[in-house]
Amino acid sequence: DAKTTQPPSMDCAEGRAANLPCNHSTISGNEYVYWYRQIHSQGPQYIIHGLKNNETNEMASLIITEDRKSSTLILPHATLRDTAVYYCIVTPPRTSYGKLTFGQGTILTVHP
Amino acid sequence: KAGVTQTPRYLIKTRGQQVTLSCSPISGHRSVSWYQQTPGQGLQFLFEYFSETQRNKGNFPGRFSGRQFSNSRSEMNVSTLELGDSALYLCASSSYRVDETQYFGPGTRLLVL
Repeated sequence: DAKTTQPPSMDCAEGRAANLPCNHSTISGNEYVYWYRQIHSQGPQYIIHGLKNNETNEMASLIITEDRKSSTLILPHATLRDTAVYYCIVTPPRTSYGKLTFGQGTILTVHP
Repeated sequence: KAGVTQTPRYLIKTRGQQVTLSCSPISGHRSVSWYQQTPGQGLQFLFEYFSETQRNKGNFPGRFSGRQFSNSRSEMNVSTLELGDSALYLCASSSYRVDETQYFGPGTRLLVL
């Protein structure tokens, strides 16, 4: 699986957009980019995933660069409840057989 | 739809004992994966079951085992517990009929004394 690089921590003001970057320069053509977050001591929560195109759902937007070597997760209006560890994961479909490789993630702290 | 459920939520055991944790996947999901999370090692993949067959296994000793039942519910067992087995154990389920997005349960917090 491709490795990912994320900043260890980021801050964001409440109500502002939080932009979390992820580098995955060794990503293969068939690998998806997944984002999860984990609020203290809870199970990871799925946020969004994509292959090539930008994606948006009720939680966030995912912007993937044209060369697919990096992506950005955007939380459009961060709230205090968005404070969590955010994980960017790259994984191939159909062949990972349940294995997600988690890195250290980015600790996002949203301030009032 | 109900989410992934795990029981028990908290557990205290002593060294040398064994423990069994249970996971009920989202209805219709046939794949169940297990992970261990510790402060030092982060989230690590233990194994995955699909249709009662283990398809993938992480780098853990044989003391860690699991199984899946015909209704897709899964159990994991840890024998001869060690202090280092204290961790949050997470299971996740996915539906290969749709995509492989994994949805995690709340976890079981195991403390080994």
